[in-house]
This record gives sequence, structure tokens and C-alpha cells, in this order.
Amino acid sequence: AQRVTQPEKLLSVFKGAPVELKCNYSYSGSPELFWYVQYSRQRLQLLLRHISRESIKGFTADLNKGETSFHLKKPFAQEEDSAMYYCALRQGAQKLVFGQGTRLTINP
Amino acid sequence: KAGVTQTPRYLIKTRGQQVTLSCSPISGHRSVSWYQQTPGQGLQFLFEYFSETQRNKGNFPGRFSGRQFSNSRSEMNVSTLELGDSALYLCASRRGGQVTEAFFGQGTRLTVV
Repeated sequence: AQRVTQPEKLLSVFKGAPVELKCNYSYSGSPELFWYVQYSRQRLQLLLRHISRESIKGFTADLNKGETSFHLKKPFAQEEDSAMYYCALRQGAQKLVFGQGTRLTINP
Repeated sequence: KAGVTQTPRYLIKTRGQQVTLSCSPISGHRSVSWYQQTPGQGLQFLFEYFSETQRNKGNFPGRFSGRQFSNSRSEMNVSTLELGDSALYLCASRRGGQVTEAFFGQGTRLTVV
């Protein structure tokens, strides 16, 4: 079955330190992966997707098919990065399978 | 342009009652999906509608149903409410076709007492 695993429920780093949020997936086929972010009191929004290969707000994520991973990285964390982050896999036409999420806290 | 709008934002219902939630997608979007978000289970897919047809359904009991109207607005209904149905229900809209980016609403917080 298709599954997305985010092993860390909570992650706390200091401002200016590097951040890596882990995401592993299981999928038979060619996956399409996303990172969604939910800031406090805001709606869930797309942060980036692997097919775009872009950097958003300093975040990047590389799809590693060998390790079935799609880790989210940022070299220098900022306080405004504190949020809930969800890794998601597209299954079929529109179904998204989400990981359990990682709450990232950036300490000043 | 207006985002995805869900109404109501908050609901309190009693066990055994039924409830209807509404979702208005972004103008021009034809696909609407529903998700249930709970602390224990996270975000789980309920179903997806495209052009008034249900195209995909998650692993939820038949008490959960939905529909989509010709203007793409969607409703979700839960009958015979149980305490475990307490959750944040999120709606997401997508333009359709090969466009895969989904835009989420603020959600409806349902509490069953």
C-alpha cells in the first residue's frame, strides 16, 4: 500500500541552523511528491513539489528513488519557518496520501 | 481571487445526528476533494468529485457521503454521528486535468458530543 512516513513528530532547531525534515514513502510506480505547510491559524498550503525542482522560501527537497525519500531541507532556519509540515504523495487522479506531519519549532 | 471557502467554520452536534458541510472551490476549479484531519490519524482522504461525479473514495464508512453541484460547489454529509467523527474537515480544490496543485480551505471544525 502507498504510505508516507515522517519519522519526527517534533523538530526543534535554533535560528540560523540547518533544517532537515525527513519523509519516506512507499509507492509502486513513479511517485509525485509534495510538501505542504500549515502556519499557525492559517490554511494548509503547498510549499513545493518534486517535479518543479524549485526552491521556495529557501527550502528544497530532492526525490531519492533509491532511498524512497523526499526530505525537506533549508540551510539556515528562520523563526517564521515554525509551522507544521506535511509530506504528501499523489495517488491516482487527485488523492493525496499524507504523512503524520512534523511540527517544526525555530528557537531564537 | 477568492480562495476555497468552507462553511460553517465550527459545528457542535450530538451523537446520532447528521451534519452537512459545504465547500465552495476557487472559481474555475472543477475538482473538489475532502479530507478528515484528526490528531491520531492525521490527514485522511475521504473522497473526490470532478464535474459532479465521485471519482475516488477513501476508506470511510457509508455514513460519509458527498456530492458536487453543477457550479462545482460540494457538500459532505455525515449521518448518525459518532464521537470519533470529531475532526477538522478540509476541502481542497483543483483546476482539473493535469494540474495537480490542490488549494485547501480553512476547514470546518466538527465536535460531536
